[in-house]
Amino acid sequence: GDSVTQMEGPVTLSEEAFLTINCTYTATGYPSLFWYVQYPGEGLQLLLKATKADDKGSNKGFEATYRKETTSFHLEKGSVQVSDSAVYFCALSPYNQGGKLIFGQGTELSVKP
Amino acid sequence: EPEVTQTPSHQVTQMGQEVILRCVPISNHLYFYWYRQILGQKVEFLVSFYNNEISEKSEIFDDQFSVERPDGSNFTLKIRSTKLEDSAMYFCASSEGGMSNEKLFFGSGTQLSVL
Repeated sequence: GDSVTQMEGPVTLSEEAFLTINCTYTATGYPSLFWYVQYPGEGLQLLLKATKADDKGSNKGFEATYRKETTSFHLEKGSVQVSDSAVYFCALSPYNQGGKLIFGQGTELSVKP
Repeated sequence: EPEVTQTPSHQVTQMGQEVILRCVPISNHLYFYWYRQILGQKVEFLVSFYNNEISEKSEIFDDQFSVERPDGSNFTLKIRSTKLEDSAMYFCASSEGGMSNEKLFFGSGTQLSVL
């Protein structure tokens, strides 16, 4: 069945460091891909998404590109801030199954000043 | 930004008891969902609901689970006879539409502890 695998955390970075969180997926057809973020005490929030191959999602300095050839959707940010400390979830929604998200295990990011 | 509200934030119950988890989705949304996350595991889809019907459910969502939209604002998840393994964080979500690229809005969750 469809699945998502992300790099394990926790990830600890210094402020202004470069961030990459790896995400790969297995799916039939053409899923939509998402990154959700969960700040402490809050629900998951959509960070960015991409709906077809080679699409780049971006938001708040974060980017991820839908790579069908490598079945990947890695999250990157050039310069992280303390306020980016959160848990990041990669997810896919199978084609024609709207709202049914399949999540990776989540990666906890801690950014130190 | 509008919010999905879940109550209570933490619920403790005895094994075999019934629990009802409550959610108020965003007012103009039409699609509603429940997800759960057992400690240390992935967030898992339980059920989606549209037009007063279940549109899809996972294998986890067996006869012990039910969902209801009792009025125009609430969306509830009932677990009829709780088991220890039902202990998890339960997330409610809603969306405007039901396409696969749809943005879901999640509540902050109800932590259910079954003793």
